[in-house]
Amino acid sequence: DTAVSQTPKYLVTQMGNDKSIKCEQNLGHDTMYWYKQDSKKFLKIMFSYNNKELIINETVPNRFSPKSPDKAHLNLHINSLELGDSAVYFCASSLLGGHEQFFGPGTRLTVL
Amino acid sequence: GENVEQHPSTLSVQEGDSAVIKCTYSDSASNYFPWYKQELGKRPQLIIDIRSNVGEKKDQRIAVTLNKTAKHFSLHITETQPEDSAVYFCAARVMGNTPLVFGKGTRLSVIA
Repeated sequence: DTAVSQTPKYLVTQMGNDKSIKCEQNLGHDTMYWYKQDSKKFLKIMFSYNNKELIINETVPNRFSPKSPDKAHLNLHINSLELGDSAVYFCASSLLGGHEQFFGPGTRLTVL
Repeated sequence: GENVEQHPSTLSVQEGDSAVIKCTYSDSASNYFPWYKQELGKRPQLIIDIRSNVGEKKDQRIAVTLNKTAKHFSLHITETQPEDSAVYFCAARVMGNTPLVFGKGTRLSVIA
């Protein structure tokens, strides 16, 4: 009965690899987000999707590509991983125009 | 775009004392101001929020105040307990499709 889930929880990989993080929400929300939290704990929006359509794309390298197969899922694919990509990535969801954003448990990505 | 400043970055209080965290925002169109608590290794979770038509809101030991003229809002925790120790984030947004813009967080330590 998890509201927002992410897989994997931990991801350790080498520089240059390509990896994906999956996110699913069962709250019936129509808006989903990806946030990056760096080592200093700063939470920064990366992408926002509403009903499978990209509505916000902050200044993020084009190595990051979100994909939303349906409004319950928002996956994040990262190409050519770099050391600076190491962070915790949080997925979140909310109702359109709604208030509370519910966060997933996070995926800790470590690039070696 | 919106910019949210949060102070202090770290705060230590004795158990039973009060803690106050302050945030300022730049976009006068922002009208929703949530506070999230993030315990070590966990996801951010909403603890209280306030909308622009309200000046103060309380929930047991937690209260939030909003001054729209000055564009600042504050979190007040009374009778602090060790389990209040966490990183607290303020955020602001304009209702609709816009994502939350977070402050940089305050690490609160409650010393028993």
